[in-house]
Amino acid sequence: AQRVTQPEKLLSVFKGAPVELKCNYSYSGSPELFWYVQYSRQRLQLLLRHISRESIKGFTADLNKGETSFHLKKPFAQEEDSAMYYCALSPLNFNKFYFGSGTKLNVKP
Amino acid sequence: DAGVTQSPTHLIKTRGQQVTLRCSPKSGHDTVSWYQQALGQGPQFIFQYYEEEERQRGNFPDRFSGHQFPNYSSELNVNALLLGDSALYLCASGGPANEAFFGQGTRLTVV
Repeated sequence: AQRVTQPEKLLSVFKGAPVELKCNYSYSGSPELFWYVQYSRQRLQLLLRHISRESIKGFTADLNKGETSFHLKKPFAQEEDSAMYYCALSPLNFNKFYFGSGTKLNVKP
Repeated sequence: DAGVTQSPTHLIKTRGQQVTLRCSPKSGHDTVSWYQQALGQGPQFIFQYYEEEERQRGNFPDRFSGHQFPNYSSELNVNALLLGDSALYLCASGGPANEAFFGQGTRLTVV
């Protein structure tokens, strides 16, 4: 069965510090992995997806199939990064997503 | 393009009642999925509509049903409401790129 685990409910860092949001998954197959972000009073929106291998707003995420992980990283956190972050997986081309429970990132000044 | 729009934004219903939530997808998208997000949890997949038919379904009881219209808009119906159905209901539309665009959601409170 598919499962996405985000072990940290809350992560607090100071501005300029590195940040890593953890995500582990289980799925019998080769899913596509995503990070979605929800800023205060805004809708859930795509941050990045592993197949594009892009860096968005300074965030990167590397898919580690051996460890079944897709951790989100940023070398220097900014206050505007404060938000809820959700890791998600999707069977290829099914437009159906399984989400983790989310990590709230709080970047302190 | 207004993106994905949902109505109403908030709703209060009594146990046992029925509710209908509505969603208009992003322009050019033909697939609509519905998610339930309980407090403190990530969104959970309810079902997906494509070409006016339910294509996939998550682990939700038959009290949850839906419909998709020819213009791709969709409705989510929940019958015999329970207190546990209180949640944020999200609609997401998608096209061929396996990417979901979410609406703002409908906050349903069952009392």
